[in-house]
Amino acid sequence: DQQVKQNSPSLSVQEGRISILNCDYTNSMFDYFLWYKKYPAEGPTFLISISSIKDKNEDGRFTVFLNKSAKHLSLHIVPSQPGDSAVYFCAASAPQAGTALIFGKGTTLSVSS
Amino acid sequence: DGGITQSPKYLFRKEGQNVTLSCEQNLNHDAMYWYRQDPGQGLRLIYYSQIVNDFQKGDIAEGYSVSREKKESFPLTVTSAQKNPTAFYLCASSIPSSYNEQFFGPGTRLTVL
Repeated sequence: DQQVKQNSPSLSVQEGRISILNCDYTNSMFDYFLWYKKYPAEGPTFLISISSIKDKNEDGRFTVFLNKSAKHLSLHIVPSQPGDSAVYFCAASAPQAGTALIFGKGTTLSVSS
Repeated sequence: DGGITQSPKYLFRKEGQNVTLSCEQNLNHDAMYWYRQDPGQGLRLIYYSQIVNDFQKGDIAEGYSVSREKKESFPLTVTSAQKNPTAFYLCASSIPSSYNEQFFGPGTRLTVL
């Protein structure tokens, strides 16, 4: 049973437009959420995170929104750039130190110029 | 220059052979993790270790073994018992805080012929 779900395997966006990647989770114990970006044949790199006590976190072009009641988070990229084309993984963490992250299956974002 | 190294980048082995994947970090992180990525799948946890000389099975530990004799090193052995060993293997490390932000290595692509 998947605890973290990314229901859209892929998303295509034009350069300059907004990209919205979605993630749903089922475990109400998760208290910290992260987004990772991954290029083919490379390791994921950390992008942005949000604590469950917040509903929004912004870092440059990237904003993550958290809706705890809906168990839903989203990553907004504005404006989208061709270099943003990658696989984006949503991950969640339970409040126990040292436990592994739970990852979604990823969404492949393609930004066309 | 701190980081996580995985070697080699590409590895080929014959069916029935055991193979060990290397993971070294100089970030002084206590916790280390091994994930496997298959096409269309998220990152699935194989093993993790919160401290030297201790490790726990993840979701897909069957056919794998690990050791954690040093803080910096967390090698993964893919044994002949692993039914589908061909995959992209990712090592990560973290400070075992409640946030569990993990840093990933570049990955090893294992192909079993």
